[in-house]
Amino acid sequence: SAVISQKPSRDICQRGTSLTIQCQVDSQVTMMFWYRQQPGQSLTLIATANQGSEATYESGFVIDKFPISRPNLTFSTLTVSNMSPEDSSIYLCSVEEKGYGDFGPGTRLLVL
Amino acid sequence: QKEVEQDPGPLSVPEGAIVSLNCTYSNSAFQYFMWYRQYSRKGPELLMYTYSSGNKEDGRFTAQVDKSSKYISLFIRDSQPSDSATYLCAMSSGSSGDKLTFGTGTRLAVRP
Repeated sequence: SAVISQKPSRDICQRGTSLTIQCQVDSQVTMMFWYRQQPGQSLTLIATANQGSEATYESGFVIDKFPISRPNLTFSTLTVSNMSPEDSSIYLCSVEEKGYGDFGPGTRLLVL
Repeated sequence: QKEVEQDPGPLSVPEGAIVSLNCTYSNSAFQYFMWYRQYSRKGPELLMYTYSSGNKEDGRFTAQVDKSSKYISLFIRDSQPSDSATYLCAMSSGSSGDKLTFGTGTRLAVRP
């Protein structure tokens, strides 16, 4: 399975600011996925990031709020823009090879 | 109706008990079935992965898939306090670009 790292592991941010989360994978993968896990909830897919093309966003998520970059086959970033307390969540990146998903350790975000 | 239903618990059992965790689903296209374990403040960790119907055993863990009933189970034998975590079922069709669909997760506490 893939080894995935994320930075930062946690952050506390002020409302109205933006935070960029980095995801690094130890192997080249076609698709990377970004999930949100709100307190006490399961995982909700934000978007799918393909290298060399625009990310595909799920219903309820928009590019202006969650811009994504995918500059190469091992790296992606997710930015949470103009944050509000409702954005306080764990943000997880994932890769899915061979039908199952491997997850990073997550970025725990608290917005004050 | 949600695509995947999972009892959120919490489920509390004494050490040594047999634990049964279950999910039901509605999408007959699902072919790949996964169980993830998520410890507090950590990302999900793949525990079991099965394809189509049948059983799969790994140590104290057994995964069962009954596609005719659209029902999957995870059994934990001789449960340990270290098994205390949230268990998430997930599934996909395995088609290129298909996303994972998660259950809401079941919180398990194993009492010493």
